[in-house]
Amino acid sequence: AQKVTQAQTEISVVEKEDVTLDCVYETRDTTYYLFWYKQPPSGELVFLIRRNSFDEQNEISGRYSWNFQKSTSSFNFTITASQVVDSAVYFCALSVLTGGGNKLTFGTGTQLKVEL
Amino acid sequence: GAGVSQSPRYKVAKRGQDVALRCDPISGHVSLFWYQQALGQGPEFLTYFQNEAQLDKSGLPSDRFFAERPEGSVSTLKIQRTQQEDSAVYLCASSLGGGTGNEQFFGPGTRLTVL
Repeated sequence: AQKVTQAQTEISVVEKEDVTLDCVYETRDTTYYLFWYKQPPSGELVFLIRRNSFDEQNEISGRYSWNFQKSTSSFNFTITASQVVDSAVYFCALSVLTGGGNKLTFGTGTQLKVEL
Repeated sequence: GAGVSQSPRYKVAKRGQDVALRCDPISGHVSLFWYQQALGQGPEFLTYFQNEAQLDKSGLPSDRFFAERPEGSVSTLKIQRTQQEDSAVYLCASSLGGGTGNEQFFGPGTRLTVL
């Protein structure tokens, strides 16, 4: 069975601070994909990034960066110079190759509040 | 540029009523997923279609839940004899391919409240 843990329930920061959202996953599969989604107050999940288990390169996209470490089963997400518009719930998710399909196992989410 | 649409956006049902939730995926998307999101929780997988075939329904919580996608496009999630514990947001997602790792595009969800 797959499991995703987001230990941080809620994080509050002041605008322009950097913030890191933690994600730890569990799976016995050797081939899997990790995702981050953003859920703003409107409710619609917005895709941010996907990584596969064979690619541990860290990635930077504008103010966003991701740190994937298989040795610690972690896939952390950092927002640099946070802005009020970053306020949302962020979900980490996992899908595995075994069994086919692409169902996502989500963590419980981290509520990020960015204040002026 | 239509994304995934869901209707109704809000549904209030009395306990024991049957409800039907509709999902219109992005045109041409092979895969369609239903998830249930309780308040303050992450979405939980319910069922998955590849075209019209329901390949995985392991997440459906009881036999009161039924989903279909008869023509491989629009899908309906039906809940019979609703219970209070069915209150949640029901999310639909679609992806272009049928394989693992494809990006899923989510709809806005249907918020179901069972009184």
